[in-house]
Amino acid sequence: DADVTQTPRNRITKTGKRIMLECSQTKGHDRMYWYRQDPGLGLRLIYYSFDVKDINKGEISDGYSVSRQAQAKFSLSLESAIPNQTALYFCATSDWDETEAFFGQGTRLTVV
Amino acid sequence: AQKITQTQPGMFVQEKEAVTLDCTYDTSDQSYGLFWYKQPSSGEMIFLIYQGSYDEQNATEGRYSLNFQKARKSANLVISASQLGDSAMYFCAMRESGNFNKFYFGSGTKLNVKP
Repeated sequence: DADVTQTPRNRITKTGKRIMLECSQTKGHDRMYWYRQDPGLGLRLIYYSFDVKDINKGEISDGYSVSRQAQAKFSLSLESAIPNQTALYFCATSDWDETEAFFGQGTRLTVV
Repeated sequence: AQKITQTQPGMFVQEKEAVTLDCTYDTSDQSYGLFWYKQPSSGEMIFLIYQGSYDEQNATEGRYSLNFQKARKSANLVISASQLGDSAMYFCAMRESGNFNKFYFGSGTKLNVKP
């Protein structure tokens, strides 16, 4: 089983719909991140959380919200999806010493 | 200003040759970490190598080495003896200790290994 699991792996949704992307990890890490990847832009940070009670906005948080339900779970929500949120989304975790970030397999989201 | 710059959108290399992927970074922190990730066409992000800012020796992991030049703020990835399976996107990333430990990623370099 993967250390970091994202569900769903692929999703097509309509403009205006609410959608949740889920992430769970078995690494026991406190720190979790959500990124989106767009061609030519690399990965951009949406939100990050350093423990269950800590939520922080990243570079591009507008239009997104998150929930840290437990140490192992970090969900990303699009309250009202729009086409320019079509992207590949990654969840990642890291330990306190940050010598490595572990990524999920990614969720390919298409908003039509 | 961009934190991580990868100036090579795409590169070709002949199988069995070495290739260098460029990465420069921008930070005023004294303590930071530099990473390289590989993303094959299947989409997952695979960790390759890590270099801490206080590490005096260049990091190596098998065929991967990181050419760390601190004064120049560069962290180039060197892949020796390229294999067809090395064809992928490669991302350079940085973590700044002073900036809430956020990870910054470059825009990536697409490497194609020719047989």
